[in-house]
Amino acid sequence: GNSVTQMEGPVTLSEEAFLTINCTYTATGYPSLFWYVQYPGEGLQLLLKATKADDKGSNKGFEATYRKETTSFHLEKGSVQVSDSAVYFCALYYYNQGGKLIFGQGTELSVKP
Amino acid sequence: KAGVTQTPRYLIKTRGQQVTLSCSPISGHRSVSWYQQTPGQGLQFLFEYFSETQRNKGNFPGRFSGRQFSNSRSEMNVSTLELGDSALYLCASSITIPGQGHNEQFFGPGTRLTVL
Repeated sequence: GNSVTQMEGPVTLSEEAFLTINCTYTATGYPSLFWYVQYPGEGLQLLLKATKADDKGSNKGFEATYRKETTSFHLEKGSVQVSDSAVYFCALYYYNQGGKLIFGQGTELSVKP
Repeated sequence: KAGVTQTPRYLIKTRGQQVTLSCSPISGHRSVSWYQQTPGQGLQFLFEYFSETQRNKGNFPGRFSGRQFSNSRSEMNVSTLELGDSALYLCASSITIPGQGHNEQFFGPGTRLTVL
């Protein structure tokens, strides 16, 4: 079946360090891919998205490229801030499956000053 | 524009009881999805409603049910609560008509259910 695998956390970085959170997926066809972020005590917020192969999603300094050849959608940021501390979820979606997002297990990021 | 609202935010119940959670989508959004989030299982899809009809259902027992009203507000119900039902229940709404393009979902803050 369709699934998403993320690197395990927690990931601890110093402020201004480079961030990569790996995400790979298993799916047939051409799903849309998303990164969501969850801050403590809050729901999920859409961070960025890509709907077809080679698309690059970007937002707030984060970016991820839809790589169909490697079935990956790794999240990157050049310089993290303390305020980026949160849990990050990679997810996939098929347009013909209604509202069903399939999530990875989440990766907790902690950024120290 | 107001976001997705969920009530109550916190709930404590005992085993065997039932519970009803409510979700009000963003104005104009007609699709509402529900997810269960637990430390062990992560985020799992429960069901999705569009125009008062359940369009998709996840792999949960029949104790979990839901409905959607004509104003797009949705409720989910869990009967005969078990300890393992303790979780954060998230609701998400979207404006996209199902089957017509990707479905950007906006999430509410969730309802934290604790079963004792």
